[in-house]
Amino acid sequence: GEDVEQSLFLSVREGDSSVINCTYTDSSSTYLYWYKQEPGAGLQLLTYIFSNMDMKQDQRLTVLLNKKDKHLSLRIADTQTGDSAIYFCAESVSDSNSGYALNFGKGTSLLVTP
Amino acid sequence: DAGVIQSPRHEVTEMGQEVTLRCKPISGHNSLFWYRQTMMRGLELLIYFNNNVPIDDSGMPEDRFSAKMPNASFSTLKIQPSEPRDSAVYFCASMGDLGGEQYFGPGTRLTVT
Repeated sequence: GEDVEQSLFLSVREGDSSVINCTYTDSSSTYLYWYKQEPGAGLQLLTYIFSNMDMKQDQRLTVLLNKKDKHLSLRIADTQTGDSAIYFCAESVSDSNSGYALNFGKGTSLLVTP
Repeated sequence: DAGVIQSPRHEVTEMGQEVTLRCKPISGHNSLFWYRQTMMRGLELLIYFNNNVPIDDSGMPEDRFSAKMPNASFSTLKIQPSEPRDSAVYFCASMGDLGGEQYFGPGTRLTVT
């Protein structure tokens, strides 16, 4: 399928805000997700947003959705060194047989420096 | 719940050998997904099952790959014969009812020499 696009690398200083951007492909996606992958581990869901929402906030995380431009962003406030990881944007790809597959971006490596 | 369980965590094999990766989804989840992760291609969906039935296997690279889900608590991904380009981390994920969160296992790191 078409690609979900993300920048590959982001470096920020501890305490600053991080903004990770994503452009998705399927305008009919019902859910859009942000997953976090720490070294040597599987993916963990950070947050997701339903397609009829513009914004979702969860503690230090803010997700913004621009459906017109098919643009999704993740803002991490007060970024900590423990936030260093790879962040994946994903769109749901539904089909008539039920069950939702996900189409992932290639991930953004976030490096937080002291 | 122990989460999604995958075995083995690491597998090193020689080209031409058969490889079987195993996954136990979270109890009660009715969708199961197999992904492959490489540096070059990122995360690719290989196949997914709903209620033990394969729904979409269009991501399976070629006939050397096969996946089964004989019951709701077990799935296998088999590669026969394996090739060096199959080296990757293979993730299994499961999901409850429609939409929502996919829970990922820790992955199996496969190295084919």
